[in-house]
Amino acid sequence: SAVISQKPSRDICQRGTSLTIQCQVDSQVTMMFWYRQQPGQSLTLIATANQGSEATYESGFVIDKFPISRPNLTFSTLTVSNMSPEDSSIYLCSVGGSTEAFFGQGTRLTVV
Amino acid sequence: AQSVTQLDSHVSVSEGTPVLLRCNYSSSYSPSLFWYVQHPNKGLQLLLKYTSAATLVKGINGFEAEFKKSETSFHLTKPSAHMSDAAEYFCVALDSNYQLIWGAGTKLIIKP
Repeated sequence: SAVISQKPSRDICQRGTSLTIQCQVDSQVTMMFWYRQQPGQSLTLIATANQGSEATYESGFVIDKFPISRPNLTFSTLTVSNMSPEDSSIYLCSVGGSTEAFFGQGTRLTVV
Repeated sequence: AQSVTQLDSHVSVSEGTPVLLRCNYSSSYSPSLFWYVQHPNKGLQLLLKYTSAATLVKGINGFEAEFKKSETSFHLTKPSAHMSDAAEYFCVALDSNYQLIWGAGTKLIIKP
């Protein structure tokens, strides 16, 4: 199993600013995933972050808007840049193995 | 491509009656399948998982699910609903790249 510490748990931000979300895992993992959950919707994968290489972004998500760092096998950050109210969502990081996935508690972001 | 379909966006049952949340998947092989629950303002919690062992899987809080390959289904059931079961439920498949394929979610409403 894996325990993920994600912070901040919530934030209220002004439009045009940026927020960096951090995830710390208690074990070394190759792949970390970042998801967005917009109000009333399911989870959407933003990108996959492998240590030592650039993140792989899903359709509709770009590096300029959601830069990701993966400096080592236990840590990753996601930045939501130049925020607008449409970015108000829950953001989750996740790690997975062959039989299960583990999640941070999520970051509830409100952009005003 | 692999996909997960949750057939009902909302399910409403009376307390004490059975719960059925439907999920179908499409895949070229037998994937690992999961049910996650998300209570309001809470993180995601794993209810149960199927990983090619027993086709009837028992999870937490009295939930169980049966993997039926012939029907490509993985429906979630509980004999008797409790008020505390009110939440959003997600059916999820794990693809060959260890990425999670999410269903759209089913909101379970429990009537007193």
